[in-house]
Amino acid sequence: KQEVTQIPAALSVPEGENLVLNCSFTDSAIYNLQWFRQDPGKGLTSLLLIQSSQREQTSGRLNASLDKSSGRSTLYIAASQPGDSATYLCAPMDSNYQLIWGAGTKLIIKP
Amino acid sequence: DGGITQSPKYLFRKEGQNVTLSCEQNLNHDAMYWYRQDPGQGLRLIYYSQIVNDFQKGDIAEGYSVSREKKESFPLTVTSAQKNPTAFYLCASSIQVAGTGTEAFFGQGTRLTVV
Repeated sequence: KQEVTQIPAALSVPEGENLVLNCSFTDSAIYNLQWFRQDPGKGLTSLLLIQSSQREQTSGRLNASLDKSSGRSTLYIAASQPGDSATYLCAPMDSNYQLIWGAGTKLIIKP
Repeated sequence: DGGITQSPKYLFRKEGQNVTLSCEQNLNHDAMYWYRQDPGQGLRLIYYSQIVNDFQKGDIAEGYSVSREKKESFPLTVTSAQKNPTAFYLCASSIQVAGTGTEAFFGQGTRLTVV
């Protein structure tokens, strides 16, 4: 059964730093992988979608990489801002087209 | 604007009562999903539907029921059989696009509290 682990569980950094959030999954037979952002009490906002054949995707200050064979994805945030404070979730999609969820990384960017 | 609308945002349920959470989408997506989110845990799948008039149980379907009579709508009923219904409920939809993959989109959630 696919399991997803996100490390660290929480991260607090000063504004302006570049940072990396990690996601690992146990079954490399994934269809794609999506990164989401969740603000407190809100729904999820899709940030990036990486297909299984891709190595990375970029959107603005965000860059997500995927190493399917090793079961890892990273989300890189450049020049962090207080508005980036949120919980970040990664979700690989398995061969049954189901998203499998980690518990997320809670990020706090201090002004 | 295209998107997924969940209502109500907050819902209070008395013991023994059934309540229904609404989820509507105008994205023309075939698949729709209901998830439950509890503090400190990953999302857990309750039910999903890949096509109108068909739906499948997820990992925690007991005490819940759904219907999919229209493509745009996927309501979730929390029945009195669900013993611990207090949680944040998220509805999602997805579409498979050739060359892009399958991307999921979410509503803003409904917070259900038992009083």
